[in-house]
Amino acid sequence: AQKVTQAQTEISVVEKEDVTLDCVYETRDTTYYLFWYKQPPSGELVFLIRRNSFDEQNEISGRYSWNFQKSTSSFNFTITASQVVDSAVYFCALSERDRGSTLGRLYFGRGTQLTVWP
Amino acid sequence: DAGVIQSPRHEVTEMGQEVTLRCKPISGHDYLFWYRQTMMRGLELLIYFNNNVPIDDSGMPEDRFSAKMPNASFSTLKIQPSEPRDSAVYFCASSLDQGGMIGTEAFFGQGTRLTVV
Repeated sequence: AQKVTQAQTEISVVEKEDVTLDCVYETRDTTYYLFWYKQPPSGELVFLIRRNSFDEQNEISGRYSWNFQKSTSSFNFTITASQVVDSAVYFCALSERDRGSTLGRLYFGRGTQLTVWP
Repeated sequence: DAGVIQSPRHEVTEMGQEVTLRCKPISGHDYLFWYRQTMMRGLELLIYFNNNVPIDDSGMPEDRFSAKMPNASFSTLKIQPSEPRDSAVYFCASSLDQGGMIGTEAFFGQGTRLTVV
């Protein structure tokens, strides 16, 4: 079973539109972390944000905001006033304990390709 | 810091040949991960190391794949013999386990795009 589901495979918007990328996760752990990564056309994976399971406060960073809701197991990502440079594949990921290790193992969703047209 | 460094950036090889991908993690990081990205399967964890010791290699597709980490600053992923279905982007990532936290973000290299013809 997929631990992280990103139902939107592709999204296209016009510059300055707001866009929300959905992420639904599945875990039985009470302690876990959620991440968003960005993969621009150049190919590297860039870390955007991390949230832990005990902190449901929404977070805003410039044009980016994240909505974490444990009740629906969702961690959605909104870009306000999108720009062409936001065009990329965005990955949501879940980290939970792995076999007693102190380190979480990252499970990635399949990604959402966002295209912002000028 | 230069970040995670992978080489080569691109590799084209013929089926049956041995391929070696290289990774230099961020200095001081104690975890190293190898991921593979394909259109069909997305990002998959192949193997990860803690303090140079392989912890979980359950993601390694088959015996043709092997990974080593001889020291804290170098790791290799080897495919022998390579097959066309191994064509993918292979990412190396590293992270620092800060006193038991599971929330440490992984820092990724730029990836190696492997094409097996």
